[in-house]
Formats: sequence, C-alpha cells, structure tokens
Amino acid sequence: GAVVSQHPSRVICKSGTSVKIECRSLDFQATTMFWYRQFPKKSLMLMATSNEGSKATYEQGVEKDKFLINHASLTLSTLTVTSAHPEDSSFYICRAKGAGGYTFGSGTRLTVV
Amino acid sequence: GDSVTQMEGPVTLSEEACLTINCTYTATGYPSLFWYVQYPGEGLQLLLKATKADDKGSNKGFEATYRKETTSFHLEKGSVQVSDSAVYFCALSEDNQGGKLIFGQGTELSVKP
Repeated sequence: GAVVSQHPSRVICKSGTSVKIECRSLDFQATTMFWYRQFPKKSLMLMATSNEGSKATYEQGVEKDKFLINHASLTLSTLTVTSAHPEDSSFYICRAKGAGGYTFGSGTRLTVV
Repeated sequence: GDSVTQMEGPVTLSEEACLTINCTYTATGYPSLFWYVQYPGEGLQLLLKATKADDKGSNKGFEATYRKETTSFHLEKGSVQVSDSAVYFCALSEDNQGGKLIFGQGTELSVKP
C-alpha cells in the first residue's frame, strides 16, 4: 500500500533553533499534504493544507511565519518550525493525498528544551 | 462549526472484555464518519468508516454504526485483546474520502492480560 515516510521520528532541539520535518511519499504522488499537531492527551489539530507548487493554506490561529510549509514536489513536503520554543513541543504528523486516497506519516515527536 | 466529542479515557479493560467507546458529532451537512487507531509510537491508521446513515463500518472485530438520529458513531468490540491497546480517534469529514478530517480528542485503551 501507499507509504509516507516521515523524518525524524523524534527530535530534541534547543529553544530558538529551527527544526525541519520531512514527509516523503514513497510510491505515489502526493498532490495535497495536510499537517497536524497533537498535544499530549489532546486531539489532532489541522495546522495547514498544501498543494504541490502552491502556497499552504493555514488554519485560523496558526502562524504561517513560524510554521513554514514547503511542498515543492509531488513526493516531498516539509514543515519547518522556526525559532522553536518549549510550547511548540508536540507531535507533528503529516497526511498525504494521492490517487489512491489518504495516508498518514508516522509522526515526529518534537521536544524543545 | 463541525465537531466531534469522544468519551474520556483512559479506558482499562481485561482481555476478552467488551468495549464501547462513545463518539458523538455535530455537523452542518451529512458527514462521513471514521475511526482511526494509533498504536504506541506509530502514526494513525484508518480502522473503519461509514459514509451514510445506518451504515456499519467493521474491521478487525471492531464495528461502529452511523446513527443520524442520535448523531453518534460508537466503537464496539465484543472481546478485546492486549494488542488492541492504543489510542482511538473518532473523526468526521464532509467528503466521503476523508479529505479534511475533524478529530475527537482520542480515547486511550489499555487492555490487561
């Protein structure tokens, strides 16, 4: 079946630094990528939606300058958390749309110290 | 706006016990309803879905029936196993492919031998 490879699976970074999370569709073309974040014991909240080659559409309350999303190719989308702070610590997960449907990545646990 | 409410966890059961995780929703249209499962350290996987009223989704012994009159989609399993320990998310989408998902807060299930 369709596979989305998400890396890194875990990352610890210092406050003020930037972290890049990658999602690659391994055997299909991802025309749309959804990015979610999940706080501990909370639900997944949609952060943004990106279509290949276009600017991402951000959900209300999500800072586009802080969470940079790039979807430059049909097999790769990245989320960069800029100037990370401890409150950005969360589980980030992508979800790709391809011809066969939707597939989640395995998620990235970000801890900002 | 649309929303999903799940029963709070954690839920702790003994092996072979019956499981019910309640899920209710509010929606302006006629959404499709989904249950996703997240095993420890992994991303989300689609467990089952139902796209219209009175449909029953089923998979791996789990089932849920789309009840429009009570706006519910409760997840049930007659006999749980230790391997069912995971977090379960109820979700809805206004399209039957599950494009833009709105999730409940998740219910953690722990099954003891």
